[in-house]
Amino acid sequence: EIVLTQSPATLSLSPGERATLSCRASQSVTRYLAWYQHKPGQPPRLLIYDASNRATGIPARFSGSGSGTDFTLTISSLEPEDFAVYYCQQRYSWPPYTFGQGTKLEIK
Amino acid sequence: EVQLVESGGGLVTPGGSLRLSCVASGFTFSNYSLNWVRQAPGKGPEWVASITNNYYTYYADSVRGRFTISRDNAKNSVFLQMNSLRVEDTAVYYCVRLYINWFDPWGPGTLVIVSP
Repeated sequence: EIVLTQSPATLSLSPGERATLSCRASQSVTRYLAWYQHKPGQPPRLLIYDASNRATGIPARFSGSGSGTDFTLTISSLEPEDFAVYYCQQRYSWPPYTFGQGTKLEIK
Repeated sequence: EVQLVESGGGLVTPGGSLRLSCVASGFTFSNYSLNWVRQAPGKGPEWVASITNNYYTYYADSVRGRFTISRDNAKNSVFLQMNSLRVEDTAVYYCVRLYINWFDPWGPGTLVIVSP
């Protein structure tokens, strides 16, 4: 089973700042990695798939990069609605699909 | 609009059973794999089970032999029969479509609580 480790666990930033979230896989997942945003009371939402492709309707301030074992989600300029929990997920080796434990992006 | 709506969650004692249902709309249901993904309080999501458009099924080790995923294309529905429930099965259970090989979209979820 591929383990995904996200860092940091919590990131405290202000609106307008740049956010950089990391996801590291226990073995290569090539580019088969996605990012999801999860807000309280809502289901998770797909943001980025195949490491760098934005899902439908996702603003351009969200970008993904990386391959192999190291991946990054970048939010170029934080909007108030971006404060949430972010999860990475791999589909390179399944079953099982696996998720990271999450990074909570909170308002500083 | 693509929608998935779960039902059937509730409170059950350890060893009990529960059947979750998910009704889909807004897309050609029979063409897609459907999944159940759960999230325990304070934890990340955990994939539970998948059923392909060809009815192949896959399970997480933690539920294999206890849970059964099934689908009814005529009713645009997917189900999760959960038997021998454990306290650690407590979670919000999401019905999720596999779209371009990723989980999109997710239903609003249904809460399952397993407690003595």
